[in-house]
Amino acid sequence: ETGVTQTPRHLVMGMTNKKSLKCEQHLGHNAMYWYKQSAKKPLELMFVYSLEERVENNSVPSRFSPECPNSSHLFLHLHTLQPEDSALYLCASSQGVSGANVLTFGAGSRLTVL
Amino acid sequence: GQNIDQPTEMTATEGAIVQINCTYQTSGFNGLFWYQQHAGEAPTFLSYNVLDGLEEKGRFSSFLSRSKGYSYLLLKELQMKDSASYLCAVTDSNYQLIWGAGTKLIIKP
Repeated sequence: ETGVTQTPRHLVMGMTNKKSLKCEQHLGHNAMYWYKQSAKKPLELMFVYSLEERVENNSVPSRFSPECPNSSHLFLHLHTLQPEDSALYLCASSQGVSGANVLTFGAGSRLTVL
Repeated sequence: GQNIDQPTEMTATEGAIVQINCTYQTSGFNGLFWYQQHAGEAPTFLSYNVLDGLEEKGRFSSFLSRSKGYSYLLLKELQMKDSASYLCAVTDSNYQLIWGAGTKLIIKP
């Protein structure tokens, strides 16, 4: 496979569930990102990892917990979510962590919290 | 605060030309990106401008004026497959990427 792959593509969960989103990149990139995309709103940067080290956490609630076991894989663990967390969660990767780098995105995981 | 403005939605006719504008107010400037996102798909890179002027790539062109805080994406010979959202993003002085809310472009036959 090439590019950035996200699973699952769709997820429905109750507020008390625990689930995880997975992202995998086969581009040899050093940086990986989680973004939240809500309708008619700008992309919200959640977390940034550079060479498996978290370099940014944009005041994201602790019910979202990222994990980067290696430079090719990124997870977002979800626990006790709220209905307002329903959104499209996009994973992206880039050659470097600077905002001047082109991002390659996955197709996203559509999350619905009941 | 930092802000990127672009129209929420635009409609154009197949075969025509459309211009999608983006204005920005950011703390410094280190480049402007345009991404295309089809419904249910990943955003994909279209263009990057760091100097003033027009960059042309086939049917798509992107223009930048740093003094005016303004960019546009020009799409020529529109095709139905160009129906998508177009995202404008600016890299600020700290190399943080600031995103607009996107413009949904609807192409009609």
